Amino acid sequence: AQTVTQSQPEMSVQEAETVTLSCTYDTSESDYYLFWYKQPPSRQMILVIRQEAYKQQNATENRFSVNFQKAAKSFSLKISDSQLGDAAMYFCAYRSAYGYGGSQGNLIFGKGTKLSVKP
Amino acid sequence: DAGVIQSPRHEVTEMGQEVTLRCKPISGHDYLFWYRQTMMRGLELLIYFNNNVPIDDSGMPEDRFSAKMPNASFSTLKIQPSEPRDSAVYFCASSSSILSYEQYFGPGTRLTVT
Repeated sequence: AQTVTQSQPEMSVQEAETVTLSCTYDTSESDYYLFWYKQPPSRQMILVIRQEAYKQQNATENRFSVNFQKAAKSFSLKISDSQLGDAAMYFCAYRSAYGYGGSQGNLIFGKGTKLSVKP
Repeated sequence: DAGVIQSPRHEVTEMGQEVTLRCKPISGHDYLFWYRQTMMRGLELLIYFNNNVPIDDSGMPEDRFSAKMPNASFSTLKIQPSEPRDSAVYFCASSSSILSYEQYFGPGTRLTVT
Protein backbone atom coordinates (compact mmCIF):
# COMPACT_ATOMS: atom_id res chain seq x y z
CA ALA A 1 0.00 0.00 0.00
CA GLN A 2 1.11 3.51 -0.70
CA THR A 3 2.01 5.87 2.12
CA VAL A 4 2.76 9.58 2.30
CA THR A 5 4.90 11.09 5.05
CA GLN A 6 5.27 14.73 6.01
CA SER A 7 7.93 14.91 8.68
CA GLN A 8 7.43 18.56 9.62
CA PRO A 9 4.28 19.08 11.70
CA GLU A 10 4.89 22.83 11.82
CA MET A 11 6.98 25.35 9.93
CA SER A 12 7.42 29.08 10.19
CA VAL A 13 8.63 31.62 7.65
CA GLN A 14 9.14 35.35 7.57
CA GLU A 15 7.03 37.29 5.13
CA ALA A 16 8.79 37.63 1.74
CA GLU A 17 11.17 34.78 2.55
CA THR A 18 11.28 31.30 1.02
CA VAL A 19 10.23 28.10 2.75
CA THR A 20 10.38 24.45 1.73
CA LEU A 21 7.95 21.81 2.95
CA SER A 22 9.02 18.18 2.80
CA CYS A 23 7.12 15.13 1.65
CA THR A 24 8.21 11.56 1.04
CA TYR A 25 6.13 8.70 -0.22
CA ASP A 26 6.35 4.99 -0.67
CA THR A 27 4.99 3.11 -3.66
CA SER A 28 5.84 0.22 -5.92
CA GLU A 29 4.07 1.82 -8.86
CA SER A 30 5.97 3.57 -11.62
CA ASP A 31 3.24 5.94 -12.74
CA TYR A 32 1.35 8.19 -10.38
CA TYR A 33 0.45 11.77 -9.54
CA LEU A 34 1.53 13.89 -6.63
CA PHE A 35 -0.22 16.95 -5.26
CA TRP A 36 0.09 19.67 -2.72
CA TYR A 37 -3.16 20.91 -1.22
CA LYS A 38 -3.56 23.98 0.96
CA GLN A 39 -6.12 24.14 3.75
CA PRO A 40 -6.53 27.62 5.26
CA PRO A 41 -8.57 28.23 8.42
CA SER A 42 -11.69 28.31 6.25
CA ARG A 43 -11.20 24.51 5.86
CA GLN A 44 -11.46 24.64 2.09
CA MET A 45 -9.04 22.22 0.42
CA ILE A 46 -7.33 24.07 -2.41
CA LEU A 47 -5.10 22.41 -4.99
CA VAL A 48 -1.78 24.25 -5.09
CA ILE A 49 0.26 22.23 -7.55
CA ARG A 50 0.45 18.81 -9.16
CA GLN A 51 3.19 16.67 -10.64
CA GLU A 52 2.94 13.72 -13.00
CA ALA A 53 5.54 11.08 -12.16
CA TYR A 54 6.43 10.53 -15.82
CA LYS A 55 7.48 14.16 -16.20
CA GLN A 56 11.04 14.95 -15.25
CA GLN A 57 10.47 18.67 -15.21
CA ASN A 58 9.43 20.08 -11.86
CA ALA A 59 6.02 21.73 -11.79
CA THR A 60 5.75 25.45 -11.11
CA GLU A 61 2.74 27.62 -10.35
CA ASN A 62 3.66 31.25 -9.78
CA ARG A 63 5.40 31.41 -6.37
CA PHE A 64 4.97 27.68 -5.79
CA SER A 65 7.34 25.07 -7.17
CA VAL A 66 8.23 21.50 -6.40
CA ASN A 67 11.40 19.49 -6.22
CA PHE A 68 10.42 16.05 -7.45
CA GLN A 69 13.02 13.34 -6.90
CA LYS A 70 11.47 10.13 -8.21
CA ALA A 71 14.30 7.79 -7.25
CA ALA A 72 14.35 9.17 -3.72
CA LYS A 73 10.52 9.27 -3.62
CA SER A 74 10.66 12.84 -2.45
CA PHE A 75 8.29 15.67 -3.36
CA SER A 76 9.00 18.96 -1.61
CA LEU A 77 7.11 22.23 -2.02
CA LYS A 78 8.92 25.54 -2.20
CA ILE A 79 7.04 28.74 -1.54
CA SER A 80 8.89 31.87 -2.64
CA ASP A 81 8.17 35.42 -1.49
CA SER A 82 5.91 34.11 1.27
CA GLN A 83 2.75 36.09 1.94
CA LEU A 84 0.49 36.26 4.97
CA GLY A 85 -2.20 34.50 2.95
CA ASP A 86 0.05 31.48 2.58
CA ALA A 87 -0.47 30.60 6.23
CA ALA A 88 -2.34 27.29 6.24
CA MET A 89 -2.07 23.54 6.57
CA TYR A 90 -0.36 21.99 3.59
CA PHE A 91 -1.04 18.41 2.60
CA CYS A 92 0.96 16.27 0.27
CA ALA A 93 -1.11 13.64 -1.58
CA TYR A 94 -0.53 10.66 -3.86
CA ARG A 95 -2.78 9.12 -6.47
CA SER A 96 -2.17 6.10 -8.62
CA ALA A 97 -2.17 6.77 -12.35
CA TYR A 98 -3.80 3.46 -13.11
CA GLY A 99 -7.32 4.83 -13.32
CA TYR A 100 -10.10 4.21 -10.90
CA GLY A 101 -10.87 0.82 -9.54
CA GLY A 102 -10.91 -0.53 -6.05
CA SER A 103 -8.73 1.75 -3.97
CA GLN A 104 -6.71 3.10 -6.87
CA GLY A 105 -8.82 6.16 -7.41
CA ASN A 106 -8.45 7.83 -4.08
CA LEU A 107 -5.98 10.38 -2.86
CA ILE A 108 -3.65 9.26 -0.10
CA PHE A 109 -2.76 12.17 2.13
CA GLY A 110 0.09 12.93 4.47
CA LYS A 111 -0.64 14.25 7.96
CA GLY A 112 0.02 17.82 6.93
CA THR A 113 2.40 20.66 7.80
CA LYS A 114 1.11 23.77 9.49
CA LEU A 115 2.78 26.83 7.98
CA SER A 116 2.87 30.11 9.85
CA VAL A 117 3.94 33.35 8.15
CA LYS A 118 5.38 36.07 10.34
CA PRO A 119 4.90 39.71 9.28
CA ASP B 1 -19.30 27.04 -11.78
CA ALA B 2 -20.37 27.07 -8.14
CA GLY B 3 -17.95 24.32 -7.17
CA VAL B 4 -18.79 21.40 -4.93
CA ILE B 5 -21.58 22.32 -2.54
CA GLN B 6 -22.01 20.73 0.87
CA SER B 7 -24.67 21.19 3.48
CA PRO B 8 -24.90 21.82 6.29
CA ARG B 9 -21.60 23.57 7.03
CA HIS B 10 -21.95 22.80 10.71
CA GLU B 11 -23.95 20.12 12.47
CA VAL B 12 -24.26 19.56 16.19
CA THR B 13 -26.24 16.56 17.33
CA GLU B 14 -26.65 14.27 20.29
CA MET B 15 -25.35 10.76 20.47
CA GLY B 16 -27.79 8.29 19.01
CA GLN B 17 -29.35 10.71 16.55
CA GLU B 18 -29.33 10.26 12.79
CA VAL B 19 -27.15 12.64 10.81
CA THR B 20 -27.38 13.28 7.07
CA LEU B 21 -24.71 15.16 5.17
CA ARG B 22 -25.38 16.36 1.65
CA CYS B 23 -23.23 17.01 -1.40
CA LYS B 24 -23.78 18.43 -4.85
CA PRO B 25 -20.82 17.73 -7.15
CA ILE B 26 -19.65 19.96 -9.95
CA SER B 27 -21.90 19.59 -12.95
CA GLY B 28 -20.50 17.09 -15.43
CA HIS B 29 -18.25 15.36 -12.94
CA ASP B 30 -18.84 11.64 -12.85
CA TYR B 31 -16.77 10.76 -9.78
CA LEU B 32 -17.72 11.68 -6.25
CA PHE B 33 -15.69 11.09 -3.10
CA TRP B 34 -16.48 11.32 0.61
CA TYR B 35 -13.56 12.00 2.97
CA ARG B 36 -13.34 12.38 6.72
CA GLN B 37 -10.75 14.55 8.47
CA THR B 38 -9.78 14.16 12.12
CA MET B 39 -6.75 15.24 14.11
CA MET B 40 -5.84 11.67 14.92
CA ARG B 41 -6.26 10.04 11.52
CA GLY B 42 -5.92 12.94 9.12
CA LEU B 43 -7.81 12.76 5.82
CA GLU B 44 -9.36 9.40 4.99
CA LEU B 45 -11.41 8.28 2.02
CA LEU B 46 -14.71 6.80 3.11
CA ILE B 47 -16.32 5.89 -0.21
CA TYR B 48 -16.40 6.94 -3.83
CA PHE B 49 -18.89 6.70 -6.66
CA ASN B 50 -18.62 6.55 -10.42
CA ASN B 51 -21.71 7.40 -12.41
CA ASN B 52 -23.75 7.14 -9.22
CA VAL B 53 -22.51 3.61 -8.47
CA PRO B 54 -20.41 2.96 -5.35
CA ILE B 55 -16.99 1.68 -6.42
CA ASP B 56 -15.03 1.41 -3.20
CA ASP B 57 -16.55 1.62 0.25
CA SER B 58 -13.70 -0.06 2.10
CA GLY B 59 -13.10 3.12 4.06
CA MET B 60 -16.56 3.24 5.57
CA PRO B 61 -15.88 2.67 9.26
CA GLU B 62 -18.86 0.50 10.13
CA ASP B 63 -22.46 -0.29 9.37
CA ARG B 64 -23.62 2.89 11.03
CA PHE B 65 -22.35 4.74 7.98
CA SER B 66 -24.11 4.63 4.64
CA ALA B 67 -23.83 6.68 1.46
CA LYS B 68 -26.07 7.03 -1.55
CA MET B 69 -25.98 8.81 -4.85
CA PRO B 70 -29.48 8.71 -6.33
CA ASN B 71 -28.51 10.91 -9.29
CA ALA B 72 -25.55 12.66 -10.82
CA SER B 73 -26.09 15.87 -8.89
CA PHE B 74 -26.68 14.67 -5.35
CA SER B 75 -25.15 12.43 -2.74
CA THR B 76 -25.76 11.82 0.95
CA LEU B 77 -23.68 10.40 3.76
CA LYS B 78 -25.76 9.14 6.66
CA ILE B 79 -24.69 8.15 10.14
CA GLN B 80 -27.22 6.26 12.22
CA PRO B 81 -26.87 6.17 15.16
CA SER B 82 -24.21 8.82 15.61
CA GLU B 83 -21.50 8.55 18.28
CA PRO B 84 -19.08 11.14 19.74
CA ARG B 85 -16.17 9.50 17.90
CA ASP B 86 -17.86 10.42 14.62
CA SER B 87 -17.07 14.07 15.31
CA ALA B 88 -14.95 15.25 12.39
CA VAL B 89 -14.98 17.35 9.25
CA TYR B 90 -16.53 15.52 6.31
CA PHE B 91 -15.51 16.54 2.82
CA CYS B 92 -17.09 15.78 -0.49
CA ALA B 93 -14.99 16.01 -3.65
CA SER B 94 -15.67 15.41 -7.33
CA SER B 95 -13.69 14.85 -10.49
CA SER B 96 -14.34 14.18 -14.15
CA SER B 97 -13.32 11.37 -16.49
CA ILE B 98 -11.68 8.12 -15.60
CA LEU B 99 -8.21 9.53 -16.00
CA SER B 100 -8.75 12.84 -14.25
CA TYR B 101 -6.34 13.36 -11.44
CA GLU B 102 -7.70 16.58 -10.05
CA GLN B 103 -10.30 16.36 -7.32
CA TYR B 104 -12.25 19.46 -6.36
CA PHE B 105 -13.27 19.65 -2.73
CA GLY B 106 -16.31 21.16 -1.12
CA PRO B 107 -16.06 23.39 1.96
CA GLY B 108 -16.71 20.49 4.34
CA THR B 109 -19.24 19.82 7.07
CA ARG B 110 -18.04 20.07 10.65
CA LEU B 111 -19.93 17.45 12.65
CA THR B 112 -20.00 17.51 16.42
CA VAL B 113 -21.70 14.66 18.28
CA THR B 114 -22.22 15.29 21.99
